[in-house]
Amino acid sequence: GENVEQHPSTLSVQEGDSAVIKCTYSDSASNYFPWYKQELGKRPQLIIDIRSNVGEKKDQRIAVTLNKTAKHFSLHITETQPEDSAVYFCAASIYYGGSQGNLIFGKGTKLSVKP
Amino acid sequence: NAGVTQTPKFQVLKTGQSMTLQCAQDMNHEYMSWYRQDPGMGLRLIHYSVGAGITDQGEVPNGYNVSRSTTEDFPLRLLSAAPSQTSVYFCASSYSASGRGNTGELFFGEGSRLTVL
Repeated sequence: GENVEQHPSTLSVQEGDSAVIKCTYSDSASNYFPWYKQELGKRPQLIIDIRSNVGEKKDQRIAVTLNKTAKHFSLHITETQPEDSAVYFCAASIYYGGSQGNLIFGKGTKLSVKP
Repeated sequence: NAGVTQTPKFQVLKTGQSMTLQCAQDMNHEYMSWYRQDPGMGLRLIHYSVGAGITDQGEVPNGYNVSRSTTEDFPLRLLSAAPSQTSVYFCASSYSASGRGNTGELFFGEGSRLTVL
């Protein structure tokens, strides 16, 4: 079946450094790629997303890049802060059943930002 | 708006028991879905619905039933609980255009932690 691979599974950085999380997807028809942040004991929340007609998108310290040819996309966080510590999930839309748009998620990256 | 509301937040079952996890949203979203989250496994799609009266299976549907009689509600039923169904369950909804399915941001409920003994 379709899947999304996410690396690394854990990432530890010093405050102020950059963090990069990478994902690859298998369904060439995927056209929507969101990233979710989940703090401990909380619900996942969308932090940024990108569609297949765009190569890069930025929102303050967060950016996402997409390489459709290689079928991979990445999350970049600059000037990391302790409050960035969380689990980050990438996802890709897949055609499942009769509906385009269901999301298949990567297994998550636990980011730790050390003061 | 309350957003997506799930009940109960915690539940302990014995093997073989049945139960229903409730999910309601007040954002008039057509698309609703259930995910389960297990350590190291990410979020896996159980069932989804693109509108009232329409449901379909996701990645891991076995052992679960759903129904969608109204736009607001999307309950998940465990027919005969098994220890393998111990997990955290998330309901999520999103805006959907004309039954096309999810077209953007998923809004998640707070989650329901289920333990099956």
